[in-house]
Amino acid sequence: AQKVTQAQTEISVVEKEDVTLDCVYETRDTTYYLFWYKQPPSGELVFLIRRNSFDEQNEISGRYSWNFQKSTSSFNFTITASQVVDSAVYFCALSEALGGYQKVTFGTGTKLQVIP
Amino acid sequence: DGGITQSPKYLFRKEGQNVTLSCEQNLNHDAMYWYRQDPGQGLRLIYYSQIVNDFQKGDIAEGYSVSREKKESFPLTVTSAQKNPTAFYLCASSQTGESYNEQFFGPGTRLTVL
Repeated sequence: AQKVTQAQTEISVVEKEDVTLDCVYETRDTTYYLFWYKQPPSGELVFLIRRNSFDEQNEISGRYSWNFQKSTSSFNFTITASQVVDSAVYFCALSEALGGYQKVTFGTGTKLQVIP
Repeated sequence: DGGITQSPKYLFRKEGQNVTLSCEQNLNHDAMYWYRQDPGQGLRLIYYSQIVNDFQKGDIAEGYSVSREKKESFPLTVTSAQKNPTAFYLCASSQTGESYNEQFFGPGTRLTVL
């Protein structure tokens, strides 16, 4: 069965600090996709990044970077020089094909508060 | 602008009443999903649909029903059989039901049972 663990329930940092959000997943499949979504106070989840199970290259997008390590089943997300606008709940998700449909398992989320 | 709309944003219901949550998308996506979000529990899948006139139960379908008569619309009915309906409900869509597709989310409906 799929499982996604985000052990950090809430994190508070002071503006301009770096912060890493952890994500550990479990799956028996060899083909799967990992996602990160951001949920601001407005409520809707916003897609940030997708990674497939065969691509372990780290990715950087501005202040955001992602570290995918298959050996430890982790897909961690780092925000560099955090800003108040980064305050949100962040979800890690695992997507697999199941009987012809997309089965997505979400973690329980990490609430990030960036203090000015 | 393309996107997903959900209405209403806040909904109050008396116990024993059915209530329908609206979800509309103009992204021309085939697949649509309903999730329930409770504090500390992440998102849980209620129902999904990959094509018009077809839908499947998710992990927590009991007490809910859906229809998919049009590609753009996927309304969710919370019936009186749902024992604990107070929650935040999110509708999502993706281009197809393939596992590599990101999902696009609506702004959600917060349902409170009085």
